[in-house]
Amino acid sequence: EAGVAQSPRYKIIEKRQSVAFWCNPISGHATLYWYQQILGQGPKLLIQFQNNGVVDDSQLPKDRFSAERLKGVDSTLKIQPAKLEDSAVYLCASSLGPLNTEAFFGQGTRLTVV
Amino acid sequence: GESVGLHLPTLSVQEGDNSIINCAYSNSASDYFIWYKQESGKGPQFIIDIRSNMDKRQGQRVTVLLNKTVKHLSLQIAATQPGDSAVYFCAEKPSGTYKYIFGTGTRLKVLA
Repeated sequence: EAGVAQSPRYKIIEKRQSVAFWCNPISGHATLYWYQQILGQGPKLLIQFQNNGVVDDSQLPKDRFSAERLKGVDSTLKIQPAKLEDSAVYLCASSLGPLNTEAFFGQGTRLTVV
Repeated sequence: GESVGLHLPTLSVQEGDNSIINCAYSNSASDYFIWYKQESGKGPQFIIDIRSNMDKRQGQRVTVLLNKTVKHLSLQIAATQPGDSAVYFCAEKPSGTYKYIFGTGTRLKVLA
């Protein structure tokens, strides 16, 4: 079974530039999560989708971050404009449903903002 | 507020010994607790979960213990192997929500 795919693997941008990350979850997984993991910390949930609807985006900085999952499969996370403090690993995860405790994570995208 | 934390940032264990990784949580209303393992350069990997109405759950070489009285969660790894070296996170799911709140992690180092 293919895992959660993310791209790009690494990205370096200057502050105030924009960046987008892509995620392809495991086939059949209705729930998709985007997490931000700052070095030395645990992942922090940014947004959670159930199919193409948003379940939770309470910790998403909506003035600069946006995410979509238009067809309920792939998802993109965008940052515009980026700040230095956005440097982190952005992890995508998926699960069969919102009540499934086992989420499968991708390898993440390491973003460096300079 | 809601928070999940860990007592020890780094744990060094001799190969073959048992490891115990601890976690304290603050939300008594959480109904699920999960342990994840994260190896360098990889995303977290699910290890085991436990529901709040249970005290103990066993998996392959791992046991999770839940003490709701003192809001404490632990992960025991039997016969620790070099491949167990990683950062371990506990996470909790507050009841009535679908989100998981991760703690800050404990690094497990297995000494040969």
